[in-house]
Amino acid sequence: DAGVIQSPRHEVTEMGQEVTLRCKPISGHDYLFWYRQTMMRGLELLIYFNNNVPIDDSGMPEDRFSAKMPNASFSTLKIQPSEPRDSAVYFCASSPRQGRDGYTFGSGTRLTVV
Amino acid sequence: AQSVTQPDIHITVSEGASLELRCNYSYGATPYLFWYVQSPGQGLQLLLKYFSGDTLVQGIKGFEAEFKRSQSSFNLRKPSVHWSDAAEYFCAVNSGANNLFFGTGTRLTVIP
Repeated sequence: DAGVIQSPRHEVTEMGQEVTLRCKPISGHDYLFWYRQTMMRGLELLIYFNNNVPIDDSGMPEDRFSAKMPNASFSTLKIQPSEPRDSAVYFCASSPRQGRDGYTFGSGTRLTVV
Repeated sequence: AQSVTQPDIHITVSEGASLELRCNYSYGATPYLFWYVQSPGQGLQLLLKYFSGDTLVQGIKGFEAEFKRSQSSFNLRKPSVHWSDAAEYFCAVNSGANNLFFGTGTRLTVIP
């Protein structure tokens, strides 16, 4: 198993541009999570899906952020328009079950908005 | 509300010395508890987890952790640290509602 795959690894974009981050979870994992990591706020859960359905998006900071999961093997996190304060490392993680299983994280996407 | 506290921001130990990283949680019932490690530029890797049974759990890379209900703690230990253990360590708690709350992390430096 290749694990959770995220792309791109690094993204540099100008303020106001649209940014799309991609994630392929582990096959058979029913849960998918998007986290954001910054020095100031640590690891924050943005949104999570169960069987491709968004369950909790209360962590999504603003309407500029949106996430989709069109099928069990693919999810996107989109920021439109991007702002410098969105600069962070964005992690995708997946899990087979609720609660007791740890999550498997991808290597993250480091986003820099200039 | 559940929360996780890692009181040590940064710890420095000598290679070969023992290690203990502290973690305290706040939750009404027994939560699911986890320790993750993050090397620079990498994602988080699960070291070990506890959800029931024996309060001393073994993990990968020679790490172990002990759940102490009376102290609301889940401290991570390793008897002899290797230089490759230098990384950031995160404690996390999950109430079962599938929202994993992370502590702020402890950065470990290993000196030769």
